Amino acid sequence: EDQVTQSPEALRLQEGESSSLNCSYTVSGLRGLFWYRQDPGKGPEFLFTLYSAGEEKEKERLKATLTKKESFLHITAPKPEDSATYLCSPGTSYGKLTFGQGTILTVHP
Amino acid sequence: NAGVTQTPKFQVLKTGQSMTLQCAQDMNHNSMYWYRQDPGMGLRLIYYSASEGTTDKGEVPNGYNVSRLNKREFSLRLESAAPSQTSVYFCASSEGAMALHFGNGTRLTVT
Repeated sequence: EDQVTQSPEALRLQEGESSSLNCSYTVSGLRGLFWYRQDPGKGPEFLFTLYSAGEEKEKERLKATLTKKESFLHITAPKPEDSATYLCSPGTSYGKLTFGQGTILTVHP
Repeated sequence: NAGVTQTPKFQVLKTGQSMTLQCAQDMNHNSMYWYRQDPGMGLRLIYYSASEGTTDKGEVPNGYNVSRLNKREFSLRLESAAPSQTSVYFCASSEGAMALHFGNGTRLTVT
């Protein structure tokens, strides 16, 4: 059975304090690892797709990396507007997109 | 572009009532999905439609039915609402196995 675990559940940072979020997964036949951002009252918004171990993607202060069993979302010098819930989703066979429970990130000014 | 549009945004039902949640996408995507999101449970797939004319069960299909009306529209029906169906419902679309594009959700309360 496909499983995905995100840690920590919640993370509080000061503005400028860099950190990382973790997504550990156990799936058969990974076809892509997706990261999403979700703001309160909104639907998740796509950030990155990673397809193979060693791959990295960057967008502003965010960088996503992928190993065979984990993905990390590194946040460098975060700002309050980076506060959101971050979701990861390993995609396997068609239509079966399992989501982690998310990490709630709060960045204080 | 509107992307994925869901209606209504909020709904309160009494136990046993029925309703249909509507979803439309303007990105010409073949695949559409319905998820529910509950605190502590994350996003769980209810039903999906790989292409027009096909639908398949996801992780939590009991109590729901779906209709892929055409390529743009995918509706979710609750025939007899139960308090356990209180949740936030998200519709999403994608092109094949690519990233999902979500609507902003329908917040449903069943009393």
